Amino acid sequence: KAGVTQTPRYLIKTRGQQVTLSCSPISGHRSVSWYQQTPGQGLQFLFEYFSETQRNKGNFPGRFSGRQFSNSRSEMNVSTLELGDSALYLCASTHDILYNEQFFGPGTRLTVL
Amino acid sequence: QKEVEQNSGPLSVPEGAIASLNCTYSDRGSQSFFWYRQYSGKSPELIMFIYSNGDKEDGRFTAQLNKASQYVSLLIRDSQPSDSATYLCAVKGGGADGLTFGKGTHLIIQP
Repeated sequence: KAGVTQTPRYLIKTRGQQVTLSCSPISGHRSVSWYQQTPGQGLQFLFEYFSETQRNKGNFPGRFSGRQFSNSRSEMNVSTLELGDSALYLCASTHDILYNEQFFGPGTRLTVL
Repeated sequence: QKEVEQNSGPLSVPEGAIASLNCTYSDRGSQSFFWYRQYSGKSPELIMFIYSNGDKEDGRFTAQLNKASQYVSLLIRDSQPSDSATYLCAVKGGGADGLTFGKGTHLIIQP
């Protein structure tokens, strides 16, 4: 069974731009969570989607948003990029009905210049 | 605010010995507990999860949970150089909560 896929793997943007990251969960998984990982703050929860609905949200500004499609694929968007948004963005997939273990994708490395 | 604390290390253990990694958490309502391994430049990989008090063994790995003390640990028996990585402890509350992660313990297995 294929794992979680994320695209793109690497991205370079400049301040003020916006970016959209994509995540395809493991087949059959209905929940997708997004995390930001930085050397200083570690892994921090952004938001979780289940059946196209945001179920929970972490403590990030409104510039960070996401959505989930009917096939469970998810996107997250960051608007008006800041230098501090440079990070590894990780998507995690969960079956959610049978079990709630989260499996991570390879991540998208975002660099904001 | 939910917090998960880990000793950042580095924790240096000789090859073949037992590596012991510890984690404490602040939220008494936490229900699920996970250990992830993360190699440098890679994403976290789930290696153990535990939901009930006591021990859970899987191969060379044993997770231990003590909810009364709000303490989770991971033991790695017969440590190998390939076990050298950062180990992240993650905790989930009841309901639709995201995972709260510790900052991780850097483990070094010395050949």
